[in-house]
Amino acid sequence: EVQLAESGGGVVRPGGSLRLSCAASGFTFNDYGMSWVRQAPGKGLEWVSGIHWNGGSPGYADSVNGRFTISRDNAKNSLYMEMNSLRVEDTALYFCARSEEIVVGLGASRTWYFDVWGRGTLVTVSS
Amino acid sequence: SFVLTQSPSVSVAPGQTARITCGGDNIGSKSVHWYQQKPGQAPVLVLYDDSDRPSGIPKRFSGSNSGNTATLTISRVEAGDEADYYCQVWDSNSDHPNVVFGGGTKVTVL
Repeated sequence: EVQLAESGGGVVRPGGSLRLSCAASGFTFNDYGMSWVRQAPGKGLEWVSGIHWNGGSPGYADSVNGRFTISRDNAKNSLYMEMNSLRVEDTALYFCARSEEIVVGLGASRTWYFDVWGRGTLVTVSS
Repeated sequence: SFVLTQSPSVSVAPGQTARITCGGDNIGSKSVHWYQQKPGQAPVLVLYDDSDRPSGIPKRFSGSNSGNTATLTISRVEAGDEADYYCQVWDSNSDHPNVVFGGGTKVTVL
């Protein structure tokens, strides 16, 4: 069964750090890009960061760029997110999501969509 | 960055058709994906590349995308379709991923 399981969430003070992990199983991990998507309490989905199958060229939302670092270990089938300088507004449920990449259109442009999601890990930033 | 605009809510009677729109500048030139999220659960992909259904998603879910509006249509709405729905696009001209979600539409089945 294809599964993603996040861990590492918790309560941290503003300015603190946290490291999230996502363990993948049931599929060939290094065939896929991966992403982190978060959801603040009562709010919508926000893409946080994504990384290609080989760990190259990661991308970040403007809201976390320079504070969060995504990485992966294909030998361990694992995705990570190092979160530094945490702010109250980073409080959210953080989902790990498998990122399927396809090429579309006559212009042969790429797109990602998220076909497998974990259940999320809760990060609370509070003093 | 690219902005996706969704109506906050849609109400529909059982058996009727729900249409959920996602607006964006020339969104018809992009590939749009849709997710369903029920309370307390992770999102589920219901459509990808405008109108393709993943395995296990009923044919009642269909999609279109043209001009400045993409639309998710749910035919013969059932009580179990009550959920939040999000559209999503890729918005990057480089190898660095950049993904945008719409604000979400809450579908209420009357």
